[in-house]
Formats: sequence, structure tokens, C-alpha cells
Amino acid sequence: NAGVTQTPKFRILKIGQSMTLQCTQDMNHNYMYWYRQDPGMGLKLIYYSVGAGITDKGEVPNGYNVSRSTTEDFPLRLELAAPSQTSVYFCASSYKKTGGDSNQPQHFGDGTRLSIL
Amino acid sequence: GQSLEQPSEVTAVEGAIVQINCTYQTSGFYGLSWYQQHDGGAPTFLSYNALDGLEETGRFSSFLSRSDSYGYLLLQELQMKDSASYFCAVRLDRRRTSGTYKYIFGTGTRLKVLA
Repeated sequence: NAGVTQTPKFRILKIGQSMTLQCTQDMNHNYMYWYRQDPGMGLKLIYYSVGAGITDKGEVPNGYNVSRSTTEDFPLRLELAAPSQTSVYFCASSYKKTGGDSNQPQHFGDGTRLSIL
Repeated sequence: GQSLEQPSEVTAVEGAIVQINCTYQTSGFYGLSWYQQHDGGAPTFLSYNALDGLEETGRFSSFLSRSDSYGYLLLQELQMKDSASYFCAVRLDRRRTSGTYKYIFGTGTRLKVLA
């Protein structure tokens, strides 16, 4: 299993450009998350999804959009890149059993380092 | 609001024991997780506590006191490879989050292990 795969690993954008950060997982996890991590800081939740076709906002959703058309893929879209979106973006996934409540750890991808100039 | 507090940095020597504390104030609490992140790497899961008490996993242990809104990660027999950032993360009560599982992360504690 590859786990959680993010592409690209690095990207430099100009202000106002748009791009999509790709995330795919092969563990059949129903939950997927997008976080951003600014230098020396913790992770902040941007968007999350509990299954195909279902997405919801996290703490810092402004300037981003997501979609979840399949279980495996959860792309993050930046429409009008701004310098404040310079960050490292992590995608994560986890599994929740139907009717179960036990904690399942999140598995993270290696991140996308995005600079907006 | 939601807040988690951790020390920004801790330094210890190889072979020692170190404790990283985490206090939290959140609207709804279900459990506390700990993640390790090496520089330039992805966070990796270490432990999870939903109930009060100590959970032990090899050299790492994690403790939770729900009444004190406090937990800690204990690392024993420190090794150089333990130099990393450690994050606590609160799993929010799903009754407060539309039935879904969301996490709030602390800002992390940078652990330096000296030879």
C-alpha cells in the first residue's frame, strides 16, 4: 500500500494564479482531511470529508475549495492564490467503522510545500 | 474558542526521560492524541487517550486527566532520533460537530535530544 499520496511536493505560484493540490489514498478510508501548517505552527484544518460526495469546512476554509467524487481522491483547489496561502499542506485520512466510535489514527501524506510570490 | 497549550521547546540528553505537557480548552472533548513530526516530514501517530490514566506503548506513554483538561506525553530512554516536534490534538466530541470526527492541533513542542 502506498498510503496517502500528495502531488506535487513543491510548487511556486504567482499571486492570482489557481492550482489544485492532489491527494489520493489506497487504504479505503472514509474520512479525509486537508490541513495547512505555517512555519513553527501546528496544523489547521481547512476542509474535511466523511465520504464520497460529502465535504465540510474546517477552521480556515476561506480561499479554498474541495470535492470528493470518489473514496480515494480528495483534491484541494486554490482559486486566487494569495501570499497568505504560502504554507505546507498536508492531506490525511482515517477510517471510522459504521456504528463504531473507537479512535482511528490519521495517516498523513508527505505534504505539498507551496510558495506564493 | 478552542485552544491547546504546549511548551514551545524542550531539551534533554540521551537516555533521559522527558515529559511534554498539553492543556486544552475546547467546546467538547472526546479524546487526546499525540503526533510526532520530524523536520520536513509528515506527522505520524503516537498515541491516543479517551479515558483518564496512562497508556503505554514501548518507550512512549501518554496520560490524560479529563477533569484537569490536561495530558502529557512521556518519552523514556531518549534517543537522538527522538529529536522532533510533538503535537497534541484534541478529538472533538462529535455531538458538537454534526456527528463527525474533527481534531484541533496544538502548536507543537520541539524536542532537542543532546548527546
